[in-house]
Amino acid sequence: EAGVAQSPRYKIIEKRQSVAFWCNPISGHATLYWYQQILGQGPKLLIQFQNNGVVDDSQLPKDRFSAERLKGVDSTLKIQPAKLEDSAVYLCASSFQRGPGGELFFGEGSRLTVL
Amino acid sequence: KQEVTQIPAALSVPEGENLVLNCSFTDSAIYNLQWFRQDPGKGLTSLLLIQSSQREQTSGRLNASLDKSSGRSTLYIAASQPGDSATYLCAVSMTTDSWGKLQFGAGTQVVVTP
Repeated sequence: EAGVAQSPRYKIIEKRQSVAFWCNPISGHATLYWYQQILGQGPKLLIQFQNNGVVDDSQLPKDRFSAERLKGVDSTLKIQPAKLEDSAVYLCASSFQRGPGGELFFGEGSRLTVL
Repeated sequence: KQEVTQIPAALSVPEGENLVLNCSFTDSAIYNLQWFRQDPGKGLTSLLLIQSSQREQTSGRLNASLDKSSGRSTLYIAASQPGDSATYLCAVSMTTDSWGKLQFGAGTQVVVTP
């Protein structure tokens, strides 16, 4: 079974530039999550989708971050304009269902460096 | 606000020793607690999940205990091997509705030396 795919794996940009990350969840998984993991910290949930609807985006900095999940499959996370403190690994995860029994499967992450 | 803490931040043990990893949380009203493993440059892999009504879970050489009242969980890894070298993170979920909204500790980086 193919896992959660993310791209690009690495990205280096200057501050104030924009960047986009792509996630393809495991086939059939209705729930998709984007987490941000800053070096030395645990991951923090940015946004959660159920199919193509947003369930929770309370920790998403909406002035610069946006995310979409068109057609309820792939998802894109965008940062515009980037700040130095956005340097982190962006992890995508998916689960078959939202709730008990819905184990989260994580991708390998997209590492962003903002100079 | 829930705070999840893992001490120590790093740990080095010789092969064969048992590993004891600690996790504490400030709000005991959790729904469940999970332990994850993270290898360098990789995503997270779920190891064990303990429901709030459970006291422990076991899988092979891994055993995790949960004491909700004191806000603590411990992950035991028996007879450690070099392949156990990784960062171990604990995470709590507060309600059924926030199932995937995990609140993580910063992790314990483990090195098992041959």
